[in-house]
Amino acid sequence: AQSVSQHNHHVILSEAASLELGCNYSYGGTVNLFWYVQYPGQHLQLLLKYFSGDPLVKGIKGFEAEFIKSKFSFNLRKPSVQWSDTAEYFCAVNPNTGFQKLVFGTGTRLLVSP
Amino acid sequence: NAGVMQNPRHLVRRRGQEARLRCSPMKGHSHVYWYRQLPEEGLKFMVYLQKENIIDESGMPKERFSAEFPKEGPSILRIQQVVRGDSAAYFCASSSPAQGHIQYFGAGTRLSVL
Repeated sequence: AQSVSQHNHHVILSEAASLELGCNYSYGGTVNLFWYVQYPGQHLQLLLKYFSGDPLVKGIKGFEAEFIKSKFSFNLRKPSVQWSDTAEYFCAVNPNTGFQKLVFGTGTRLLVSP
Repeated sequence: NAGVMQNPRHLVRRRGQEARLRCSPMKGHSHVYWYRQLPEEGLKFMVYLQKENIIDESGMPKERFSAEFPKEGPSILRIQQVVRGDSAAYFCASSSPAQGHIQYFGAGTRLSVL
């Protein structure tokens, strides 16, 4: 079945550690890709998006993601995490079927210890 | 510039009652989406609406669930005769063609069915 996979369900890091969260999707053809973050008790916020062009995308708060078409991946990275990055991170894909719905991964809970 | 507003934030219903969830899109947005998040799962698409039109309802359960987005007023997700399995967080998002249909999310409504 077509899907979005986030392999890391829970990640625990110390401050200043580097972060990489995996996201793989199984849709063929053109896709739009997103990472959203949900801080405790808050709404989902858009971190970054990829529609076309440079496969290395920079987002807010020092996050970046790389689209690797051959691997169907869109991994999220941050060189040095902070305690305030503690949140749940969702990868999402718009399969570009003509409709605008997003297909989400199951999310990754990141805990950054001070 | 107000974001996507959802109310209520928390809703408690007994089995068999009706639940009405409301969503006011961001100013200038005419497209609304509803997603459901079950415990330990990612967001699942339910329905996509424009003003007075349902564009894609492929994620809506066939019975008891309905959605509308009238010409005036908020979008409503209505669940009739709720059951315990309807307990979830329901998120609304809105978008605009002028912004590439990037979806901006509300804080969600947490529905608990007793």
